[in-house]
Amino acid sequence: ETGVTQTPRHLVMGMTNKKSLKCEQHLGHNAMYWYKQSAKKPLELMFVYSLEERVENNSVPSRFSPECPNSSHLFLHLHTLQPEDSALYLCASSQEGPGSQETQYFGPGTRLLVL
Amino acid sequence: GQNIDQPTEMTATEGAIVQINCTYQTSGFNGLFWYQQHAGEAPTFLSYNVLDGLEEKGRFSSFLSRSKGYSYLLLKELQMKDSASYLCAPMDSNYQLIWGAGTKLIIKP
Repeated sequence: ETGVTQTPRHLVMGMTNKKSLKCEQHLGHNAMYWYKQSAKKPLELMFVYSLEERVENNSVPSRFSPECPNSSHLFLHLHTLQPEDSALYLCASSQEGPGSQETQYFGPGTRLLVL
Repeated sequence: GQNIDQPTEMTATEGAIVQINCTYQTSGFNGLFWYQQHAGEAPTFLSYNVLDGLEEKGRFSSFLSRSKGYSYLLLKELQMKDSASYLCAPMDSNYQLIWGAGTKLIIKP
């Protein structure tokens, strides 16, 4: 299953570093999502883009900055992160965005460790 | 508030049947999804129920009772590859998925 790809798969960064996570979907979908998954906790929705416009921002700290240049690509720019930001970051896409009962398809995630 | 309750961990034997329960409380309801997630991998879609009753899809079935706020995932003829976490996610009135923490299923030979 390569419908949604994410790079890098693993990332270790210091608190002063700047890095970016990349997501690409090859499904022709119109909506893309960023989730955070911490151990033994539910998935936390961070951002939603529909047709390249941000439609949801769930009180995420400004050290996380999303970018959606087109409907196939989604980035998450990281800056001055904290150790508690260490988690699995998952990207997902769906045919339509919020307001529909569409199934979301996930990428394999980026395992982030902040030292 | 919105709440999802599913067991943290379950153990079952290869070849057997296991039922993973999920109870939920959401603001409105637009169906319920089940996903499977192997360790270190992407969650993958298993089923979607929006009406009451049982939906069967091969070895996996999913049941929904909207009046009880209850769903279960039934896995038959368990295989070792079924060892994974199973995520219950109802969709609220805003079409937002409300995720449970997942049930880790361990299959033993």
